[in-house]
Amino acid sequence: DAGVTQSPTHLIKTRGQHVTLRCSPISGHKSVSWYQQVLGQGPQFIFQYYEKEERGRGNFPDRFSARQFPNYSSELNVNALLLGDSALYLCASRTTGGTDTQYFGPGTRLTVL
Amino acid sequence: KNEVEQSPQNLTAQEGEFITINCSYSVGISALHWLQQHPGGGIVSLFMLSSGKKKHGRLIATINIQEKHSSLHITASHPRDSAVYICAVMGGSEKLVFGKGTKLTVNP
Repeated sequence: DAGVTQSPTHLIKTRGQHVTLRCSPISGHKSVSWYQQVLGQGPQFIFQYYEKEERGRGNFPDRFSARQFPNYSSELNVNALLLGDSALYLCASRTTGGTDTQYFGPGTRLTVL
Repeated sequence: KNEVEQSPQNLTAQEGEFITINCSYSVGISALHWLQQHPGGGIVSLFMLSSGKKKHGRLIATINIQEKHSSLHITASHPRDSAVYICAVMGGSEKLVFGKGTKLTVNP
């Protein structure tokens, strides 16, 4: 079975631009979470979606938004990119919205110039 | 103070040594995760614990809920164990809160 997949793997943008990152969960997983990992730090929680509804939001500005589609895939959108948005963006899926093990994707490395 | 503290931040060992990485947390949790991250970013979930001890191959994870402390042990370490090991806790909000990670280097 395929694991969690993310696209693209790498992305370079300039300040002020918009970016969309995509995540496909493991088949049968209905919960998707997004994390931002700045170089040298642990990941920080951005969003959790379960059954297409937002279940949690981290301490990120409104420039960050996400959604989950009927097939449980998800998009993370970031508007008006700042240099500080440069990071590895990780997606994780799990069966339910509870305390199940989360399975992480390989991440999308975003560089903002 | 971070909700999740790991020690040490960096660890260098010789092949074959016994490794211990510690994690302390300050909030009530429903589960604690140990994760492994290799260069390039991919994260692999090693363990999820809510009590006691779990073992998988050469890896052992323990948790003491009363003391809010967990340890990850690696027996007979090998250069392929070199990675960043991250402790993450899940509280009532179902979101994971991560430590900053411990960078382990195992030399042959």
